[in-house]
Amino acid sequence: QKEVEQDPGPLSVPEGAIVSLNCTYSNSAFQYFMWYRQYSRKGPELLMYTYSSGNKEDGRFTAQVDKSSKYISLFIRDSQPSDSATYLCAMSAGPAGFQKLVFGTGTRLLVSP
Amino acid sequence: DAMVIQNPRYQVTQFGKPVTLSCSQTLNHNVMYWYQQKSSQAPKLLFHYYDKDFNNEADTPDNFQSRRPNTSFCFLDIRSPGLGDAAMYLCATSRDSASGPEGTQYFGPGTRLTVL
Repeated sequence: QKEVEQDPGPLSVPEGAIVSLNCTYSNSAFQYFMWYRQYSRKGPELLMYTYSSGNKEDGRFTAQVDKSSKYISLFIRDSQPSDSATYLCAMSAGPAGFQKLVFGTGTRLLVSP
Repeated sequence: DAMVIQNPRYQVTQFGKPVTLSCSQTLNHNVMYWYQQKSSQAPKLLFHYYDKDFNNEADTPDNFQSRRPNTSFCFLDIRSPGLGDAAMYLCATSRDSASGPEGTQYFGPGTRLTVL
């Protein structure tokens, strides 16, 4: 079993839809949870960062962490064609400094105009 | 703008011909990482430098080596590339004294390696 599971998609939605992306994990030591966005042929860029359980909102993006269920989500409201990318969840047991990030395989999102 | 730069963006090499990929950063971060990412797969950590200290992942093949001559630069050397080494190679950096999202990893745009 992989430490982090993520549905690879692709997930196709019309512009304006609410998108839900999810990851499950098995290591209860993970406390730091991130979402990276990766455009085609580019490096991942940090989108959301959450420590422990709870919600975090940033504009159209909301990250949720449920440690009891070992489940994290990223919601995108009013999705735009420019949101079309691969979304990678990542998590670590340690804080800043050297953190060994464990990534999901990424979910490819396609938002059609 | 402070950033992580990788050169070249695309590299084509022949089977068995050594290749070197380059990463530089203007963020003044003390930790630098090399990841391998194959199509539709998660980035896989190969090794990292914590300041000058080199840390190899247990499953990184001996074919992969790295050098960090100074804080700003890091190189990935593939001694004898095989067809299975064709991938995107990502360099990332972080600062151990930062907390929160500022302490997480910043990625370069990657170098796509093709092995013929």
